[in-house]
Amino acid sequence: LAKTTQPISMDSYEGQEVNITCSHNNIATNDYITWYQQFPSQGPRFIIQGYKTKVTNEVASLFIPADRKSSTLSLPRVSLSDTAVYYCLVVMFSGGYNKLIFGAGTRLAVHP
Amino acid sequence: GAVVSQHPSRVICKSGTSVKIECRSLDFQATTMFWYRQFPKQSLMLMATSNEGSKATYEQGVEKDKFLINHASLTLSTLTVTSAHPEDSSFYICSASDSGGGSGANVLTFGAGSRLTVL
Repeated sequence: LAKTTQPISMDSYEGQEVNITCSHNNIATNDYITWYQQFPSQGPRFIIQGYKTKVTNEVASLFIPADRKSSTLSLPRVSLSDTAVYYCLVVMFSGGYNKLIFGAGTRLAVHP
Repeated sequence: GAVVSQHPSRVICKSGTSVKIECRSLDFQATTMFWYRQFPKQSLMLMATSNEGSKATYEQGVEKDKFLINHASLTLSTLTVTSAHPEDSSFYICSASDSGGGSGANVLTFGAGSRLTVL
């Protein structure tokens, strides 16, 4: 399983765009990049997943360069409610199910 | 979307007793579920992989006789903490994968978690 490295913490202010970068130097060909969000005393919530280039959904964008050794989660115009821990994981795509191993995550604090 | 329900959300028990936590996939079938534990300010630690109709696979360092996992149906997995002690106090979270109707990607849906406090 590919190891991921992210900043331990980040601070931002309401209305700003936040970019969290994750490195995964030994990502394998079949691996997908997945991001989860976790609030205190809650289970993680899926945010976005991608394989290459750019993926966008209603809450975030995910940028993946051609070498796929890193990825950047972009949260547009954050609000106080975006204060949470964000986890970057790489998951091997297969017909079955693969366990997710969580790294330390990035603790994002959004200030007024 | 896929929903995973966990029960109870909070439980307090006396040292030496056993506690059962249930994890249900409400609107999909999950042949595989995962159990995690999380200590305050720390990341999730995978404890075991639960497979319907077969024995669970435990991660290294997790006592299988301490943490009994049963996956009797495609929608229910249970974790029983046997002879609980204060050091077992933690936040336990289950997850299950929805095949997504052919999407192919392994997206896990997590339960809300169960906070266990052992006195």
